[in-house]
Amino acid sequence: EAGVTQFPSHSVIEKGQTVTLRCDPISGHDNLYWYRRVMGKEIKFLLHFVKESKQDESGMPNNRFLAERTGGTYSTLKVQPAELEDSGVYFCASSQDAGRNYGYTFGSGTRLTVV
Amino acid sequence: AQSVSQHNHHVILSEAASLELGCNYSYGGTVNLFWYVQYPGQHLQLLLKYFSGDPLVKGIKGFEAEFIKSKFSFNLRKPSVQWSDTAEYFCAVNSYSGGGADGLTFGKGTHLIIQP
Repeated sequence: EAGVTQFPSHSVIEKGQTVTLRCDPISGHDNLYWYRRVMGKEIKFLLHFVKESKQDESGMPNNRFLAERTGGTYSTLKVQPAELEDSGVYFCASSQDAGRNYGYTFGSGTRLTVV
Repeated sequence: AQSVSQHNHHVILSEAASLELGCNYSYGGTVNLFWYVQYPGQHLQLLLKYFSGDPLVKGIKGFEAEFIKSKFSFNLRKPSVQWSDTAEYFCAVNSYSGGGADGLTFGKGTHLIIQP
């Protein structure tokens, strides 16, 4: 089966610009997660979708971050306007059962650099 | 809030040496435990997971981990490492509240370098 796909793999933008990251989960996986790793820190949970609904968005840093999952398929994470501290690697993961029995499959990540 | 602590940030070993990476978590309820690995330039891959049952879990590539509930630990082991095990290793935990699982909480990761 195809894995979790993220693009772009790298993005370099200037402070104040907007960037949109995309994640395509494994087909049929209702649960989709976003995580972020800032350099030197641990991977941190951002939010969790079940189909198109936000189940938990407690990890979203602030209102400059907007995640959507229209139609319950792919998801986008928009950062607007980007700040220097938003630099890091953004991971997406999907699961068919919210990790109860089958765990999570991760994408390769998007490395975002804000200059 | 739950947290995960990985004891070593950098580990350097020679090939054929034995490996043990420490992981402790703090959470009093039911948890699932995971070890993920990220090889250079690749995505996070699941090494093994513990949900219930036998606390000694065997994963891919000869790795195993033991869940010790009394110590809140889930240490990763491999009897004889290879150069290809050079990677970053992450311990992670999720917990259940209500009807669903929360997202994963990760440790800071351990960079493992195997010298030929």
